[in-house]
Amino acid sequence: SQKIEQNSEALNIQEGKTATLTCNYTNYSPAYLQWYRQDPGRGPVFLLLIRENEKEKRKERLKVTFDTTLKQSLFHITASQPADSATYLCAPPGGYSTLTFGKGTMLLVSP
Amino acid sequence: DTAVSQTPKYLVTQMGNDKSIKCEQNLGHDTMYWYKQDSKKFLKIMFSYNNKELIINETVPNRFSPKSPDKAHLNLHINSLELGDSAVYFCASSQPGEIAKNIQYFGAGTRLSVL
Repeated sequence: SQKIEQNSEALNIQEGKTATLTCNYTNYSPAYLQWYRQDPGRGPVFLLLIRENEKEKRKERLKVTFDTTLKQSLFHITASQPADSATYLCAPPGGYSTLTFGKGTMLLVSP
Repeated sequence: DTAVSQTPKYLVTQMGNDKSIKCEQNLGHDTMYWYKQDSKKFLKIMFSYNNKELIINETVPNRFSPKSPDKAHLNLHINSLELGDSAVYFCASSQPGEIAKNIQYFGAGTRLSVL
């Protein structure tokens, strides 16, 4: 069955550093992958979408890569700030217009 | 103006009661969803509706009954609430298709506590 794995441990980094979050998938060949941010007590918010034929996608300080050979997507936040602290979820498509969400990785950026 | 709004935000109730959660989206999307996020933070799809029609029911007990009076609304009614139903329930909407790629817009969630 399809499996989505994200770093289960929280990622602690210092302000100004680059955060790198990993999303691995198995038994699956998604045509695209989405990344969301979730703050405590709120719903997930869409950040970026990357297609299988795109190696990399950028939006301001965010960068996503998609390696279909490794079956992995990496999510980078450069020059991280305390306001970037949140849980980040990767989500390839499921069936019938749905998404399959990973468990998410909590990022904590300390000043 | 909130894109996807759900009410109530908090719901505390006794086991065995029946309760409803309402959801409305003003984005003009064709597809709406209900997700459940448990204490381990896993976000799981429960139902998917497209233009008022049920598309997916992901092995959810039949105590849960979604209702879509029109494509902008998807309500969730839960009968005979059990302790295990305690979770945060999220409503979401999306516009399927090649361009929109099912990017999902979520409500703020309803935290249900069954005592």
